[in-house]
Parts: sequence; structure tokens; C-alpha cells
Amino acid sequence: AQTVTQSQPEMSVQEAETVTLSCTYDTSESNYYLFWYKQPPSRQMILVIRQEAYKQQNATENRFSVNFQKAAKSFSLKISDSQLGDTAMYFCAFMTQGARRTSGTYKYIFGTGTRLKVLA
Amino acid sequence: DAGVIQSPRHEVTEMGQEVTLRCKPISGHDYLFWYRQTMMRGLELLIYFNNNVPIDDSGMPEDRFSAKMPNASFSTLKIQPSEPRDSAVYFCASSLGVLWGYEQYFGPGTRLTVT
Repeated sequence: AQTVTQSQPEMSVQEAETVTLSCTYDTSESNYYLFWYKQPPSRQMILVIRQEAYKQQNATENRFSVNFQKAAKSFSLKISDSQLGDTAMYFCAFMTQGARRTSGTYKYIFGTGTRLKVLA
Repeated sequence: DAGVIQSPRHEVTEMGQEVTLRCKPISGHDYLFWYRQTMMRGLELLIYFNNNVPIDDSGMPEDRFSAKMPNASFSTLKIQPSEPRDSAVYFCASSLGVLWGYEQYFGPGTRLTVT
């Protein structure tokens, strides 16, 4: 069974500093997608960044980048120049095709989240 | 587009009562997802639909939970009878597809409290 593990329940970082959130996953699938979602206090879940497993190059979105290590099944998120607005829960998520491929089922699994607080 | 719309935003009910949560996905999105978020279990996928058809309901906790999608613009998640352990935030999300890792757009969630 696929699993997603976020081992850091809480983290804090000083404004303008860099922070890395860790995520590991377990799967026997060769093709899948990985995501980082942000959930600020407003509760609205927002996609931060996405990585396709077959792509070697790490995804980047402005101040957000990932370190994707497929062999190690690791997918960490780096936030550079942290801003107060980055304070939120961050969820790592995994998506792959389910066992019933012919019927087009897909599996989405979220980690338990890391609460990040950016300090002024 | 207004995004995914959920109602109500908050619901407080007594144990044993029926609860119905509502969701309007983003127009044109073929997939709709229902999630439950708790401190203990994090974010769990309950069920998802493709073109109004339930595809995978293996995450639905028990028979007290049911979900429907009568048309492309509306879905409901019903709990009958409700129990205190059902207290959680329930999210609805929609997506344009699942291939190529399409992102899911989440609604603001419904905070359910069962007393």
C-alpha cells in the first residue's frame, strides 16, 4: 500500500530565511505525481508545487522548489526568503493510478501535514 | 469562476441527526472529491466521482456515509445517523482530470460538530 510520511509536525523559520519540509513516500508504482499543498488559517487548500515522477528535473515555482529523490522516495519542499504569508499547514500528497487500471481508478494520499510558522 | 463552493461552512448537530453537506464544483471539471480532515487522521479521501459516477468509495468509513452527484454541478455527502466521531472538516475538491497530475481545487470546507 502507498503511504506518505511527513515526519515534522511543526517547524518555524525566521522571515527571509530558508526552510525545508520533508516528505517521504512508499510505493511500488513507477509513474506517479507528487504535490505540495498549503493550507493557511483560512483553511483553503492551495497547490504550491507539483512534480511528475518520470521527470528528473526538480520542479520550481518562484520561492518554492522541491528536492525529488526518486530512488530514496523523498520529496522535500524548500521555501526560500520565507514570508509571513507562508505561515500555514503544508501537506505532501501522492497520486497514482489505482489497481483497477481498466476502470481508471486513481489513488490520492495525503501526509499528515507540517505546521510552518514564519517568525517576524 | 467562483471556485468550489461548499455549504454550509459550519454545521452543529446532535448525535443521531442526519447531516447533508453540499458542494458545487468548478464548471467544466470532470472529477469531484470528498475529503475528511481531522487532527488524528489528517486528510482522508472518502470518495470521488468522474462525470457524476462514483469511481472509488473505498475511503467511506461506514454505511452511515453516502455521497451522490446527481449532475455535473452538484454533489452531496450525507451522514445518517451522525455520531460525535464524525466531527471534522469536510472538504470538497474538483479537478479537470487526473492524468498528467491535474491539481485539485479545494472548497473552503464544512466544519461539522456532532454533539
